Amino acid sequence: AQKVTQAQTEISVVEKEDVTLDCVYETRDTTYYLFWYKQPPSGELVFLIRRNSFDEQNEISGRYSWNFQKSTSSFNFTITASQVVDSAVYFCALSGSRLTFGEGTQLTVNP
Amino acid sequence: DAMVIQNPRYQVTQFGKPVTLSCSQTLNHNVMYWYQQKSSQAPKLLFHYYDKDFNNEADTPDNFQSRRPNTSFCFLDIRSPGLGDAAMYLCATSRPTGGIETQYFGPGTRLLVL
Repeated sequence: AQKVTQAQTEISVVEKEDVTLDCVYETRDTTYYLFWYKQPPSGELVFLIRRNSFDEQNEISGRYSWNFQKSTSSFNFTITASQVVDSAVYFCALSGSRLTFGEGTQLTVNP
Repeated sequence: DAMVIQNPRYQVTQFGKPVTLSCSQTLNHNVMYWYQQKSSQAPKLLFHYYDKDFNNEADTPDNFQSRRPNTSFCFLDIRSPGLGDAAMYLCATSRPTGGIETQYFGPGTRLLVL
């Protein structure tokens, strides 16, 4: 069975702080994909990144960066210099016969 | 811009009164999904269409039905909404290619049952 754990239910930071959202996953598949989605208060799930299990290179996109470590089954997401607009629920997800979501981390960035 | 569209964004219905939520897409994706998301929870898959093939999740209540008249449109019918069906309903689409698939979501419809 697949499982995604986002241990941080809520995180609150002050603007310009860096923040890391943790994601740990379990799967028996040898090939799989990991995702991060952002869900702002409006409700839409916005796709941020997809990473396949064979590519452990870290990725940076602007203020966002992702650290994939297969050895620890983790796919963590860091926001550098956070902004109020980053406030949202962030979901980590794992591919399989179904997309398995973690329970989400509510990030609040205060001015 | 290619996108996933859901109408309406907010829907109010009465207990037991049938309601239909709609989803359309301009991405020309062959797979369409319906998810239910309750407050502070992860989205829960209800069913999906792979082309015309309907796939129901084992724990999706019989109260929920879906129709996909063509590639672009998919509907979620709730035959007799109960108070517990109040939730955000999210539509998503994808086009699996070579085993790789990314789901793209619409803005969702918030359903309120009175």
